[in-house]
Amino acid sequence: QVQLQQWGAGLLKPSETLSLTCGVNGGSLSNYYWSWIRQSPGKGLEWIGEINHSGITHYNPSLKSRVTMSVDTSKSQFSLILTSVTAADTAVYYCTRGVLLRPPWGQGTLVTV
Amino acid sequence: EIVLTQSPGTLSLSPGERVTLSCGASQSVSGDYLAWYQQKPGQAPRLLIYGASTRATDIPDRFSGSGSGTDFTLTISRLEPEDFAVYYCQQYGTLPITFGQGTRLEIK
Repeated sequence: QVQLQQWGAGLLKPSETLSLTCGVNGGSLSNYYWSWIRQSPGKGLEWIGEINHSGITHYNPSLKSRVTMSVDTSKSQFSLILTSVTAADTAVYYCTRGVLLRPPWGQGTLVTV
Repeated sequence: EIVLTQSPGTLSLSPGERVTLSCGASQSVSGDYLAWYQQKPGQAPRLLIYGASTRATDIPDRFSGSGSGTDFTLTISRLEPEDFAVYYCQQYGTLPITFGQGTRLEIK
């Protein structure tokens, strides 16, 4: 059974860089896109972007200038980098397989700026 | 991007009642790739419906989804006390994927 476990810093200062990683256990990164979705009190649910095992990415235009996603197939991990964070980036960040918030998905990481 | 508008913003009903929540899209949702979520305070969203009308795993049959194109609905046939929550729709047929702003279902 595929499980996702995510980790990363939960407290940042304005202008710092958010970095989160999601590890895929019990399965391969192949054949799927892997997404990051966040939920903040002010903006509700927001899709950040997705990446596949080949490193092909699609980003939300609203965040594109600050977002980088990467994949490490040898470690079965994919990562999110969001630069120049502000208070508006305070949210719970989820990693998930595909684009729906359903298992397998990460436990969520609260990032506070 | 496709803007999803949910209505009403808040709905006050009693257990046992039937409720229909609406999600309107600013343009046609490709493939009717429309999902519904339920979220309770302090919890992560829970997927209820995907593909406009397919119930997710372990979702009771009192929840049903319908619609196509730009107009979608989530119906709860008979409200249970645990159904009072916030409901979100999501379209995943066109990038960027977008969510509605939510409908709060509260106990009357």
